[in-house]
Amino acid sequence: DTEVTQTPKHLVMGMTNKKSLKCEQHMGHRAMYWYKQKAKKPPELMFVYSYEKLSINESVPSRFSPECPNSSLLNLHLHALQPEDSALYLCASSPRGWDTEAFFGQGTRLTVV
Amino acid sequence: ELKVEQNPLFLSMQEGKNYTIYCNYSTTSDRLYWYRQDPGKSLESLFVLLSNGAVKQEGRLMASLDTKARLSTLHITAAVHDLSATYFCAVDIRLGNQFYFGTGTSLTVIP
Repeated sequence: DTEVTQTPKHLVMGMTNKKSLKCEQHMGHRAMYWYKQKAKKPPELMFVYSYEKLSINESVPSRFSPECPNSSLLNLHLHALQPEDSALYLCASSPRGWDTEAFFGQGTRLTVV
Repeated sequence: ELKVEQNPLFLSMQEGKNYTIYCNYSTTSDRLYWYRQDPGKSLESLFVLLSNGAVKQEGRLMASLDTKARLSTLHITAAVHDLSATYFCAVDIRLGNQFYFGTGTSLTVIP
């Protein structure tokens, strides 16, 4: 299995809703990442988990809350989002967190209404 | 503030022609990655460059890294339509695969 799987593929949520994005990989990778990508822009790093511990939080607002329950799973909990948070959210993983490429999932396209 | 700039931002080229995409970055790093993204799709890894002078080739694409100049290039040889996509370079400045992506180059290859 060489895939990073993200669910759901599409999500529409209201500003008062709570929802979660899920990411799963079974490649034994020990580093996992969340990126946000707005239309026609490059991906922006949000969070990095290394060996299931949060190692980087790129000053992301608290309405985004990451969670890494185990080495294969990464969640992004969403609460009280704003319309400007609408974007493609990409999960990625890498074998050990350095000197290798990251493998990206297909992303969740999020629309906040 | 880290800046990773690519040029050109948009490139329209005819099939069979050659061209180079440039990636300049503003801080010290000897780890640079190239990715491809098709519209509405995820990112596909193309090249991993881990030292000064590194050169990698795959098919019609060749990437190189000059860490002293803080410059990477992606050279396209004899372009074909299938190469149409957006290409991103990404710099890792903290040795942790914490990629900071360039502005992207949208490539269209015209038959």
